[in-house]
Amino acid sequence: AQSVTQPDIHITVSEGASLELRCNYSYGATPYLFWYVQSPGQGLQLLLKYFSGDTLVQGIKGFEAEFKRSQSSFNLRKPSVHWSDAAEYFCAVGNNDMRFGAGTRLTVKP
Amino acid sequence: DAGITQSPRYKITETGRQVTLMCHQTWSHSYMFWYRQDLGHGLRLIYYSAAADITDKGEVPDGYVVSRSKTENFPLTLESATRSQTSVYFCATSQAGSGNEQFFGPGTRLTVL
Repeated sequence: AQSVTQPDIHITVSEGASLELRCNYSYGATPYLFWYVQSPGQGLQLLLKYFSGDTLVQGIKGFEAEFKRSQSSFNLRKPSVHWSDAAEYFCAVGNNDMRFGAGTRLTVKP
Repeated sequence: DAGITQSPRYKITETGRQVTLMCHQTWSHSYMFWYRQDLGHGLRLIYYSAAADITDKGEVPDGYVVSRSKTENFPLTLESATRSQTSVYFCATSQAGSGNEQFFGPGTRLTVL
């Protein structure tokens, strides 16, 4: 069965510091992988997605993610975090029957 | 262009009552989805629809009923609400399935007393 694990429930980083959010998945075939962001009281917005090809994917707002098949991982990164990046981040895998991770809440310190 | 609207945005009901949450889209996207969001679980898919009159179960369909007579509407009905159905419900759409971006509505916060 497909599943997604986000090991970090909450992460705090200082503004300007780098960020990496972890995502591990279990899926029977080559997966479609996604990262979404949710600001408080809002719906989800797509940051980036991976289907095939180059394993380093660029997204909006300066985010990128790297697909590593050998590790079943799809970690999200940003070189320099801005205060406006504070939000909840969700990794997701699948086709129509999408599975989301439990989310990682990001706090940005001034 | 409203995109996706959900109504009501907030709802309080009692155990055993029937509740219908509405989702309306103006994009004519083929696929529509219903999720529930609970702390510690992220989003879980309840039902989805590939087109009018075509629906499929997701991860947590029990206790819910959906219909899709028109492309633009995808109502979710709780036939007999239970406290465990207290949650935030999100509707989403996508142009096509198989990994296309899903666009999410603002959510409906449902409380079952």
